[in-house]
Amino acid sequence: GAVVSQHPSRVICKSGTSVKIECRSLDFQATTMFWYRQFPKQSLMLMATSNEGSKATYEQGVEKDKFLINHASLTLSTLTVTSAHPEDSSFYICSARESIGYGYTFGSGTRLTVV
Amino acid sequence: DAKTTQPPSMDCAEGRAANLPCNHSTISGNEYVYWYRQIHSQGPQYIIHGLKNNETNEMASLIITEDRKSSTLILPHATLRDTAVYYCIVSSSNDYKLSFGAGTTVTVRA
Repeated sequence: GAVVSQHPSRVICKSGTSVKIECRSLDFQATTMFWYRQFPKQSLMLMATSNEGSKATYEQGVEKDKFLINHASLTLSTLTVTSAHPEDSSFYICSARESIGYGYTFGSGTRLTVV
Repeated sequence: DAKTTQPPSMDCAEGRAANLPCNHSTISGNEYVYWYRQIHSQGPQYIIHGLKNNETNEMASLIITEDRKSSTLILPHATLRDTAVYYCIVSSSNDYKLSFGAGTTVTVRA
């Protein structure tokens, strides 16, 4: 089946620095990928839709200048958390779909801790 | 996007069938029903999805009512490894985003 690889699985960074998270579709091309954030004991919250070759679409309340998304190829989307602060510590998850009518495949997630 | 309503939690016995209900009374004609589950600190795992017909795969069965306002996910023989949060999601007909609700925390007991 479809596989989505997310890297790194865990990252600890200092406050004020930037962190990049990669999301790759390994055996299919994905024109659209999605980025989610999940805080402890809460559900997944959709942050943005990543579109290959065009700008990402952000959900209401998500700062586009803080969470930079780049979808430069059909198999790779990246999320960069800029000027990270402790409140950005969370579990970030990406997903992609092979084509309409198929299920969405999720990455294994990235645990970000900002100290 | 159509919203879903699920019970917050349920227990089931190992080896027995687990029936997970979901209400989606505002679903529109071209929206799919998806089921995912999430085990602690992992990404959600796809289980099954359907439009209006019942579906079955190696993991589960999905029963969708004729009016499509509700569905039931059936895990035929629950094991301890099925303990997870189960999410019922209706896909957006406009942009195909998946928006997660609170889900049902399923605990399988020996």
